[in-house]
Amino acid sequence: AQKVTQAQTEISVVEKEDVTLDCVYETRDTTYYLFWYKQPPSGELVFLIRRNSFDEQNEISGRYSWNFQKSTSSFNFTITASQVVDSAVYFCAPRSGNTPLVFGKGTRLSVIA
Amino acid sequence: DAEITQSPRHKITETGRQVTLACHQTWNHNNMFWYRQDLGHGLRLIHYSYGVQDTNKGEVSDGYSVSRSNTEDLPLTLESAASSQTSVYFCASSVGGSSYNEQFFGPGTRLTVL
Repeated sequence: AQKVTQAQTEISVVEKEDVTLDCVYETRDTTYYLFWYKQPPSGELVFLIRRNSFDEQNEISGRYSWNFQKSTSSFNFTITASQVVDSAVYFCAPRSGNTPLVFGKGTRLSVIA
Repeated sequence: DAEITQSPRHKITETGRQVTLACHQTWNHNNMFWYRQDLGHGLRLIHYSYGVQDTNKGEVSDGYSVSRSNTEDLPLTLESAASSQTSVYFCASSVGGSSYNEQFFGPGTRLTVL
């Protein structure tokens, strides 16, 4: 079984600041994927990224980057030069085999203009 | 375009009534899931299905049931609604067989039990 801890319940930053959202996971599986989802104020859940357990290279997509460190079981998400549109709840979720995603409690990010 | 829909989007009911929330997907996905979202708890898994006639209990299944008679639909039934079941309910689907595949979510149903 997997477990996810997103220790930051809420974060507030001023626009253009960088912000990192932490995710620590627990799993007994050697092969798994890690996902990040975004839930904007409108309520829908949007898939952002997946990363497999064999690939520890950092991923960068525009202003978003992800740092996966297997040694610390962390898969952190950084937003560079944050914008008001980044305000949302962000969820980290591991998945192994054909099992459902196990979600953390989420981190609510507020970006203030 | 393929999609996943939920109905109704909002529902108010009374304690003790049976309620059914509908979920319909047109991706032909084998896997379907129901989650509930409550403040401070994130998303918690209620039930899930890997195919027709298959159903499995999730973390918070008490008081809920599902049935899968076709690929497209996974209705969620609250047998006797309780105030503790006031929540936002999300349905999701994914391609089966691998942990690679992301789950696609419906827009959610906000249920209030008075």
